[in-house]
Amino acid sequence: DAGITQSPRHKVTETGTPVTLRCHQTENHRYMYWYRQDPGHGLRLIHYSYGVKDTDKGEVSDGYSVSRSKTEDFLLTLESATSSQTSVYFCAIRQGGGQPQHFGDGTRLSIL
Amino acid sequence: GQQVMQIPQYQHVQEGEDFTTYCNSSTTLSNIQWYKQRPGGHPVFLIQLVKSGEVKKQKRLTFQFGEAKKNSSLHITATQTTDVGTYFCAEDNDYKLSFGAGTTVTVRA
Repeated sequence: DAGITQSPRHKVTETGTPVTLRCHQTENHRYMYWYRQDPGHGLRLIHYSYGVKDTDKGEVSDGYSVSRSKTEDFLLTLESATSSQTSVYFCAIRQGGGQPQHFGDGTRLSIL
Repeated sequence: GQQVMQIPQYQHVQEGEDFTTYCNSSTTLSNIQWYKQRPGGHPVFLIQLVKSGEVKKQKRLTFQFGEAKKNSSLHITATQTTDVGTYFCAEDNDYKLSFGAGTTVTVRA
């Protein structure tokens, strides 16, 4: 498997609290992505990055922000978590267009 | 929203039987990728199709890309318990992938 580490793997928190999820890669891939996975919806793109400090929104970006200060790290932040953001979050990396994406093991986030 | 639609959403298969899952788009696809996610796991890349009418095989799995590049299919022969999981197709669009909702496969021994 590609060198992708997501942390934490599990988190339970309360509505209104800030949450940051981390994705760390050792592959030096240019592209990094954050998805959420919910039953019946497949994988929906939240934000992605095409280089250090270069990020863009995906289809479900409301309520989320991201940062990429180094090639290897891509952070996803929920500024004020809501119950609708309870989900499994996957990070993915990609070398370039037309290449496969490699996924991390996911973070299960529960917001009560 | 999702550009590719997958059918069926669920597939219950008797071990040893064949089945097919489909991925359809209203627009022409540049290429399509297929992924498999085992229960509790993460999606894993299976294959990419690029050319019109392309057919690729991986052991018991056969992947096809339609002539008009608007649909794709995954056919599994002689289903085994190891085939359990969710199969996703994904449209490759400007360095981003748009995933279908997936077909979840269960196998009866």
